[in-house]
Amino acid sequence: KQEVTQIPAALSVPEGENLVLNCSFTDSAIYNLQWFRQDPGKGLTSLLLIQSSQREQTSGRLNASLDKSSGRSTLYIAASQPGDSATYLCAVITDSWGKLQFGAGTQVVVTP
Amino acid sequence: DGGITQSPKYLFRKEGQNVTLSCEQNLNHDAMYWYRQDPGQGLRLIYYSQIVNDFQKGDIAEGYSVSREKKESFPLTVTSAQKNPTAFYLCASSRGQLVSGANVLTFGAGSRLTVL
Repeated sequence: KQEVTQIPAALSVPEGENLVLNCSFTDSAIYNLQWFRQDPGKGLTSLLLIQSSQREQTSGRLNASLDKSSGRSTLYIAASQPGDSATYLCAVITDSWGKLQFGAGTQVVVTP
Repeated sequence: DGGITQSPKYLFRKEGQNVTLSCEQNLNHDAMYWYRQDPGQGLRLIYYSQIVNDFQKGDIAEGYSVSREKKESFPLTVTSAQKNPTAFYLCASSRGQLVSGANVLTFGAGSRLTVL
């Protein structure tokens, strides 16, 4: 059974520092991996999707890498801003119809 | 604007009552999903529907029921059989199967259910 883990559960950084968020999964046979952002009391917003054949994806200040063989993905957020404060969740797809298996998320606080 | 509307945003229920959470989308998406989120846990799939008049159980379907009579609508009923229903419920949709990288999930803003 696929298990997705995100460590740490929470972190706080000063504005301007780069953020590094980790996601690990136990079954390397994935179709793709996605990163989401969730603001308090709100739904999720898709940030980046990495197909299993890809090593990384970039969107603006966000960069996500994928190492399938070691079961790890890392989300980098450059030059963090207070508006980046949110919970970041990763999710993987390991079956053919596309069920997402989510991690519990990392809660990020960027202090001015 | 296209999106997913969930209602109500907050709902209080007495033990033994059934409640229905509404989910409506105007994105013309074929697939719709219901997730449950508890503090410190990832989202867990309750039910999903890939097409009108068809739906499948997810990982935690016990105590819940759904219907998909219209493409736009996927209501979730939390029955009295659900032992611990207090949670944040999220509805989502996608154009097609998520295995394809072209299809991503769009989420509603969620409904918070509290059992008194």
